[in-house]
Amino acid sequence: SQTIHQWPATLVQPVGSPLSLECTVEGTSNPNLYWYRQAAGRGLQLLFYSVGIGQISSEVPQNLSASRPQDRQFILSSKKLLLSDSGFYLCAQLDSLHNSPLHFGNGTRLTVT
Amino acid sequence: AQSVSQHNHHVILSEAASLELGCNYSYGGTVNLFWYVQYPGQHLQLLLKYFSGDPLVKGIKGFEAEFIKSKFSFNLRKPSVQWSDTAEYFCAVTGTGGFKTIFGAGTRLFVKA
Repeated sequence: SQTIHQWPATLVQPVGSPLSLECTVEGTSNPNLYWYRQAAGRGLQLLFYSVGIGQISSEVPQNLSASRPQDRQFILSSKKLLLSDSGFYLCAQLDSLHNSPLHFGNGTRLTVT
Repeated sequence: AQSVSQHNHHVILSEAASLELGCNYSYGGTVNLFWYVQYPGQHLQLLLKYFSGDPLVKGIKGFEAEFIKSKFSFNLRKPSVQWSDTAEYFCAVTGTGGFKTIFGAGTRLFVKA
């Protein structure tokens, strides 16, 4: 079965500092990987998705970037955090070979101060 | 553009009341439809899904949803809610064979004991 590891669980960072959130998946190969941000009253906003190594699609232009250096690794980054980057970030995985629902990690609560 | 609309942001019910949460989507082409649930303090989990076939699908914990293609709707129902159903519910859409899952803003359900 698929397992998604996401860390850290919580993070407090000052404005202007860099960010790196890591997500790794187990139990599947060549998955589609996703970064979502969850905000109260706004549901889950799709930020980035990747269908393979080095392939990144950005959904919302903003202060964040994503990379996929390995098949099962997906990284969310920022060079300089803004206050508005605070939120709950979720990594998700979709088995690309079959119709299937998303599987989510436990998320990272980021607070930018 | 693809979008998912959930009509109610907050719903308060008493135990044993019937539940219906509305979901409409805008998506060109054939879709896969999902309802996810997030219980307090827990991560998102799949409640039910529709890919094809019988438009009335049954999920866990007595929930069901009906896909009405002509109305672009996928409403969630439960005949008799319980206090333990207190959670946030998200409707989601993926184009078949596509990569992006779009979520609605969510509906917070509070069930009074």
